[in-house]
Amino acid sequence: DAKTTQPTSMDCAEGRAANLPCNHSTISGNEYVYWYRQIHSQGPQYIIHGLKNNETNEMASLIITEDRKSSTLILPHATLRDTAVYYCIVRRNAGNMLTFGGGTRLMVKP
Amino acid sequence: NAGVTQTPKFRVLKTGQSMTLLCAQDMNHEYMYWYRQDPGMGLRLIHYSVGEGTTAKGEVPDGYNVSRLKKQNFLLGLESAAPSQTSVYFCASSSWTSSTDTQYFGPGTRLTVL
Repeated sequence: DAKTTQPTSMDCAEGRAANLPCNHSTISGNEYVYWYRQIHSQGPQYIIHGLKNNETNEMASLIITEDRKSSTLILPHATLRDTAVYYCIVRRNAGNMLTFGGGTRLMVKP
Repeated sequence: NAGVTQTPKFRVLKTGQSMTLLCAQDMNHEYMYWYRQDPGMGLRLIHYSVGEGTTAKGEVPDGYNVSRLKKQNFLLGLESAAPSQTSVYFCASSSWTSSTDTQYFGPGTRLTVL
């Protein structure tokens, strides 16, 4: 599975949009981009995933560049409860392991 | 649905002791996984299972054994605990389809080996 690069940490003001970038320049055509987050001491939580097209659900939006070498997770109106470590993972589907890197520690501030 | 549950939540062992961690899921998922997370690190896969009666090694399998006798349960065993196995252990499950393979995680077991 392709390797990802994320900033170590980011801050965001409460109520503002949080934009979390991820580079995955070696991604293959059949690999998906997944985002998970881990709120302090809890198990990771699935947020969203995509292949080529931009995706949106009740939690977030995922913007994937046309060349698929990078993506951005957008939390449209960040709240204090969104403070967590966010992991960008690139992988093929079908039962393969999730490879967690260091992730981005997002701090939402009042 | 309870989702993914783990037993126990906390445990303290002495070096050399053995124990079994239990993971249960009520979502009828085929795949189950055991991860460990050391302080300040991402999760690393220990073992996983693609179905009842089958198991496979992950990234860091040494010192652990697993069993999947029932589809809903996945057991992680430590035969002779070592201080290096002090960690938080997370279980996860997923159901593969052609378009998605989302893993659902349990709350974790915090293990300390003295």
